[in-house]
Amino acid sequence: DAGVIQSPRHEVTEMGQEVTLRCKPISGHNSLFWYRQTMMRGLELLIYFNNNVPIDDSGMPEDRFSAKMPNASFSTLKIQPSEPRDSAVYFCASSLESGYNSPLHFGNGTRLTVT
Amino acid sequence: GQSLEQPSEVTAVEGAIVQINCTYQTSGFYGLSWYQQHDGGAPTFLSYNALDGLEETGRFSSFLSRSDSYGYLLLQELQMKDSASYFCALWGVGGKLIFGQGTELSVKP
Repeated sequence: DAGVIQSPRHEVTEMGQEVTLRCKPISGHNSLFWYRQTMMRGLELLIYFNNNVPIDDSGMPEDRFSAKMPNASFSTLKIQPSEPRDSAVYFCASSLESGYNSPLHFGNGTRLTVT
Repeated sequence: GQSLEQPSEVTAVEGAIVQINCTYQTSGFYGLSWYQQHDGGAPTFLSYNALDGLEETGRFSSFLSRSDSYGYLLLQELQMKDSASYFCALWGVGGKLIFGQGTELSVKP
């Protein structure tokens, strides 16, 4: 079991540029979550998918953020255009089932710095 | 909406017992989970309480009281490697897992 794989591990970009973060969930897991972590706001849920379908995107901060899950083994989180306040660690997590008793398995995160 | 509160920092000595509290506000939820995070790395699952009472997993135990909107994580026989951030998280209606701000535990020799 390779775990949840995120890429890149680090991303440094200039304000205004497009940023794409990638996630490969654990095989067989059918729920996928994107979180953002900052010192000020902690771990914020941005969006989550169940069986590749977005269920709740109420945490997506602005229209500049978009997420897709074209198939069960891949998801992207895109920021366009990026701003310095988007600097954070972005985590992807997957779980076996959609629901309350299925632990989330987190990837190692992507540390995004927007200058 | 949902909100969770936990202390920002807790310090304890090696070998001791420490309790990290979590209070929450919600209109409905399925259960309370706890996660551990070392040095900003991937959070890892520790425990889950669906029902009131104590759940024990080795040196770690977790407690939930729905009537008091309160839970805690109990760590026994503290080790230096337990120094980390600990998050309580609510499984809300609709399948969302919402995290508290986290408690940074420092274990001293």
